[in-house]
Amino acid sequence: EVQLVQSGGEVVRPGGSLRLSCEGSGFTFTNFEMNWVRQAPGKGLEWISYIDSSGSTIFIADSLRGRFTVSRDNAKTSLYLQVNHLRVEDSAIYYCARIVSGPPYYYMDVWGGGTTVIVSS
Amino acid sequence: DIQLTQSPSFVSASIGDRVTITCRASQGFNSFFAWYRQKPGKAPEFLISGAPSFQSGVPSRFSASASGTEITFTISSLQPEDFATYFCQHGYSYPRVTFGPGTKVDMK
Repeated sequence: EVQLVQSGGEVVRPGGSLRLSCEGSGFTFTNFEMNWVRQAPGKGLEWISYIDSSGSTIFIADSLRGRFTVSRDNAKTSLYLQVNHLRVEDSAIYYCARIVSGPPYYYMDVWGGGTTVIVSS
Repeated sequence: DIQLTQSPSFVSASIGDRVTITCRASQGFNSFFAWYRQKPGKAPEFLISGAPSFQSGVPSRFSASASGTEITFTISSLQPEDFATYFCQHGYSYPRVTFGPGTKVDMK
């Protein structure tokens, strides 16, 4: 079964840091680009970051660059999101998602179950 | 940045109804679009994209099309599992992604 299993979310104080993880199984992880997407309570989806299959090309949303970094360990079939200097407005469910791309299409066909980050004093 | 709007933002419908949702963008989609369904308390799930249909494995009741800056998503016959929120996605600025604000389909 193709799946993405997420972990790492917790309650953290403003200014704190977290490392979110996403482990893939049931597919060849090294063949796929990956995205992180988040959803604040009662809100829509917000794209956070992209990483290519090798980990050499990374894009971060402009508003989050400098605080968020993304990486992957293909040997461990895992994707990571390091979030620093957390703010209350970073409270959200964070999802990892597998990308299917190739001109002329681009979509996310498999999503993790999400991990919840709550930033609160 | 690409801006997306979805209409309607809320739909009240019954089992078997035909439901159509429109997503408009500040920049054309070509085929770089997708639609996702999110049931309450669950992760989003991919439904359909601009890719050739054989790649998607999409249930036949779902269809989508694009024309310039507008994409349309249709459920031909609403099923119980389709009461959910639907998000469009614009991927023309690959690898950056923009999502629409969502359309909630509720039971009439």
